[in-house]
Amino acid sequence: DQQVKQNSPSLSVQEGRISILNCDYTNSMFDYFLWYKKYPAEGPTFLISISSIKDKNEDGRFTVFLNKSAKHLSLHIVPSQPGDSAVYFCAASVGSGNTPLVFGKGTRLSVIA
Amino acid sequence: DAGITQSPRHKVTETGTPVTLRCHQTENHRYMYWYRQDPGHGLRLIHYSYGVKDTDKGEVSDGYSVSRSKTEDFLLTLESATSSQTSVYFCAIRQGGEETQYFGPGTRLLVL
Repeated sequence: DQQVKQNSPSLSVQEGRISILNCDYTNSMFDYFLWYKKYPAEGPTFLISISSIKDKNEDGRFTVFLNKSAKHLSLHIVPSQPGDSAVYFCAASVGSGNTPLVFGKGTRLSVIA
Repeated sequence: DAGITQSPRHKVTETGTPVTLRCHQTENHRYMYWYRQDPGHGLRLIHYSYGVKDTDKGEVSDGYSVSRSKTEDFLLTLESATSSQTSVYFCAIRQGGEETQYFGPGTRLLVL
């Protein structure tokens, strides 16, 4: 049973426009959510996170929105740049401690110049 | 840079041979993780460690074992490699009290 779902395997956006990447989860115990970005032949890099006590977190061009009632989060990138082209993974965890992160399968974002 | 190195970075081996991948960290983090990444599956947890000699299984642990005899090293062993273990393997670390994991550069393993 997949607890974290990224239903769009790929997304294409024009440079300068907004990219919206979506993630749904099924485990209501998740209380911390993260987004990672991955370029080919590199390890995933941490991008932004949000705790379940918030509904929005912003860092520069990146904003994560959390809708707990819908068990849905989204990553907004504004404006999108060609260097944002990568695979984006959503991840979730249950509290701090030993519980590992659970990852979605990823969404490949292509930003077209 | 989270001070994580993985070795080897690339390896080709034959079915049935043992393989050990090494993850080394320089910042004394308590938690270490091994993942594999495959097309259509994202990142799946193999094993993790929450201290020296303290390890636990992840989602896809069959066919893998781990050891952590020192804080800085976390070894992943494929006792008898199979073609289904062809994958990219990532090590990650996490500081206690934080949720964010930081990943190493990966090891690309091909089992023929």
